[in-house]
Amino acid sequence: AQSVTQLGSHVSVSEGALVLLRCNYSSSVPPYLFWYVQYPNQGLQLLLKYTSAATLVKGINGFEAEFKKSETSFHLTKPSAHMSDAAEYFCAVRKGSQGNLIFGKGTKLSVKP
Amino acid sequence: GAGVSQSPSNKVTEKGKDVELRCDPISGHTALYWYRQSLGQGLEFLIYFQGNSAPDKSGLPSDRFSAERTGGSVSTLTIQRTQQEDSAVYLCASPNYEGGPYNSPLHFGNGTRLTVT
Repeated sequence: AQSVTQLGSHVSVSEGALVLLRCNYSSSVPPYLFWYVQYPNQGLQLLLKYTSAATLVKGINGFEAEFKKSETSFHLTKPSAHMSDAAEYFCAVRKGSQGNLIFGKGTKLSVKP
Repeated sequence: GAGVSQSPSNKVTEKGKDVELRCDPISGHTALYWYRQSLGQGLEFLIYFQGNSAPDKSGLPSDRFSAERTGGSVSTLTIQRTQQEDSAVYLCASPNYEGGPYNSPLHFGNGTRLTVT
């Protein structure tokens, strides 16, 4: 069965510092992986998705994620944090042929000035 | 419509009452999901509708929860005899199947915040 684990429910970084949000997946088949972001008082929106075309995926707002099969990971990174990046980030994996998405518990990112 | 629409945006109800939450997905989207978002619990899958297929109800937490999708469009999530632990934000989403069914992203509504007192 597919599942995702996000390490760290809260991550705090200084403005300009590297952002690293961790996601590990469990999947019995090649996975379809996603990162979603939820800004305060807003709905969820897609940040990026892994489609097997390339292991390094670029998303919106300067975020990217690298698929590493050997580590079963899909960590989200951004070289330089901005105050506007403060939000909750969710990793998700597609479950089976029905298309159901299984989400991690989320990581809340805080950015300090 | 232009996006996924959910109503009401907020609902306060007394313990033991029934509630109905409505979702109007993006026009033409054949699939529809319900999730529940609770503090510290992330997004919990509830139920998934795909066209005329039998819905995947594997995420419904108890038999007090049920959902319907009429005419392949609007969906209603019903919670009977509400309990305080049902308090959460209930999210509806539909995929646009851009690029195929497996890697299509979900478009989420803004949710219904349910508070059971």
